Amino acid sequence: IQMTQSPASLSASVGDTVTITCRASQDITNHLAWFQQKPGEAPKSLIYATSSLQSGVPSRFSGGGSGTDFALTISGLYPEDFATYYCQQYKAFPLTFGGGTKVEIK
Amino acid sequence: EVQLLESGGGMVQAGGSLRLSCATSGFNFGSYGMGWARQPPGKGLEWVSTISDSGAGTFYADSVKGRFTISRDNSKKTLFLQMNSLTAEDTAIYYCGKFPFWGWFFDFWGPGSLVSVSS
Repeated sequence: IQMTQSPASLSASVGDTVTITCRASQDITNHLAWFQQKPGEAPKSLIYATSSLQSGVPSRFSGGGSGTDFALTISGLYPEDFATYYCQQYKAFPLTFGGGTKVEIK
Repeated sequence: EVQLLESGGGMVQAGGSLRLSCATSGFNFGSYGMGWARQPPGKGLEWVSTISDSGAGTFYADSVKGRFTISRDNSKKTLFLQMNSLTAEDTAIYYCGKFPFWGWFFDFWGPGSLVSVSS
């Protein structure tokens, strides 16, 4: 299952709302996770089952979608949110990640 | 607190072997699936391998099948990745990860171990 993220990068300001999209090459129902990675660090789990927040993740992060089209929305960017975000499908092996979206400071 | 710590990375010549270890603490290791993912320098994430809680089930990416072997020692709460016939394309940071009960995605990641293969 191929996962396609867009955009590959975006520039935004603190306080902006941004949306990252992820498209699967076939129906993955809701088996979609999102991760955040900062430079020099391991990825961190944000969302699973399309829209469920991991413990401790701020409520400004939200996920939605189903089937083949999904989105991660950050409502009101904080300085610590500037990072690279990856989606991953876990409907079937091989597990596959999107190519990543880098959120940069404008 | 869940903690994962990889070790065993380093530099190796093409065709060589390395064995990565992932020491864990803070959870009931033997009850959870575990796995490995990797990230070439400056690039995206790639899933490598998964092992079930008992070790009876294993899964591999096509890119490593037949060369890498995942295993675990539940008595020592440690995950392993034996990597043979390494090529330059295997150069990456290797992360171990823990799967939750409800899906094959990592809810916790280790800090990573760099494997560098020279051709």
